[in-house]
Amino acid sequence: SQQGEEDPQALSIQEGENATMNCSYKTSINNLQWYRQNSGRGLVHLILIRSNEREKHSGRLRVTLDTSKKSSSLLITASRAADTASYFCATDITNSGGSNYKLTFGKGTLLTVNP
Amino acid sequence: DGGITQSPKYLFRKEGQNVTLSCEQNLNHDAMYWYRQDPGQGLRLIYYSQIVNDFQKGDIAEGYSVSREKKESFPLTVTSAQKNPTAFYLCASKDSASYNEQFFGPGTRLTVL
Repeated sequence: SQQGEEDPQALSIQEGENATMNCSYKTSINNLQWYRQNSGRGLVHLILIRSNEREKHSGRLRVTLDTSKKSSSLLITASRAADTASYFCATDITNSGGSNYKLTFGKGTLLTVNP
Repeated sequence: DGGITQSPKYLFRKEGQNVTLSCEQNLNHDAMYWYRQDPGQGLRLIYYSQIVNDFQKGDIAEGYSVSREKKESFPLTVTSAQKNPTAFYLCASKDSASYNEQFFGPGTRLTVL
């Protein structure tokens, strides 16, 4: 079953606008990560936010995490046509057995930035 | 994609044939993973390996097999028992000291004819 679910499934904006994508999850996590995938390519890690962090920035990316609501958001500011891609959240689930090497991915948000 | 290579990029298989997908990494990572991605879907974990000579089933291991004889290599065999193998296959690796950030290869697209 999917631990993370992104919303919306698809988002189309104009260049220069901001894009916001959301991710909800069901169980306690160690951290939450966001990945980007260009069509037909592998995933690229964007940013990781730990369960004790509330906000993190990296360039034009801003990620928030609300563990009480089990949700995260990814904001891309001043979007560019090159930002067109699918964006996935991935959760590292708290495991009582110790280190957890597995990530669980959502289905992704397809972002289209029109020039 | 840096540091992880997958081959071939495209693979065509006839029904009833086994095929092996290659994944090699030069990042000195201990853990390696195989995922399957179907159109419009997220990634589903097939197998993973935390250390050489050890591997674990993921969520959809049926019809697949792996080996981990070398740290840098984690080949995936799609057997004839896999009923619907047409998909995009992604390999990833992770440093055991990191917070589970995974590095992905460019993928192999497998099509059954």
